[in-house]
Amino acid sequence: GAGVSQSPSNKVTEKGKDVELRCDPISGHTALYWYRQSLGQGLEFLIYFQGNSAPDKSGLPSDRFSAERTGGSVSTLTIQRTQQEDSAVYLCASSLVYGGESTDTQYFGPGTRLTVL
Amino acid sequence: GEDVEQSLFLSVREGDSSVINCTYTDSSSTYLYWYKQEPGAGLQLLTYIFSNMDMKQDQRLTVLLNKKDKHLSLRIADTQTGDSAIYFCAEDSGGYQKVTFGIGTKLQVIP
Repeated sequence: GAGVSQSPSNKVTEKGKDVELRCDPISGHTALYWYRQSLGQGLEFLIYFQGNSAPDKSGLPSDRFSAERTGGSVSTLTIQRTQQEDSAVYLCASSLVYGGESTDTQYFGPGTRLTVL
Repeated sequence: GEDVEQSLFLSVREGDSSVINCTYTDSSSTYLYWYKQEPGAGLQLLTYIFSNMDMKQDQRLTVLLNKKDKHLSLRIADTQTGDSAIYFCAEDSGGYQKVTFGIGTKLQVIP
């Protein structure tokens, strides 16, 4: 079946504008993650959704970042008042969780490259 | 906090073996992963190993884990040009919710 998809693939925006990044997880996957990869750095965890539980927002770098997941499927990551340091590749991943006992493989999307001018 | 370190770059000749190394700090890691990222593509899981294993082999890939030294390596036998990519080491450090990634090792295969 289809993998994780993200849109747009590239986004160029001006400093101070808001952006929305979309993630479509693999159908049936209950867990969804957002990461970002800045140039020369490893992946940074942002937020995690699992089923109907409250999301783990501990990785969000500031209150300008928010995310929601509608209907347990599609997720949107919103960055308000973008700054140049927000420039990065934003990756979404999904996984199928079995009762929390096993670590389930995360399948990554191709990412959205955000450039803030 | 948790930390995963890798060298930035590795160059090998086609047909040789490649060994990509990684060190991590979290002694409670349960799973350790290797991901591959080709240009313009998302991350692809290559393989993973349970922390109670020393070695895992999957076709041309061999993963070695030294838990005492917190050292993980990925060996690619008979490296091909299609293996050119960035390889990320990762470990789960907070249950399955979060995975900590290294910076990635860029593998260049010379024909």
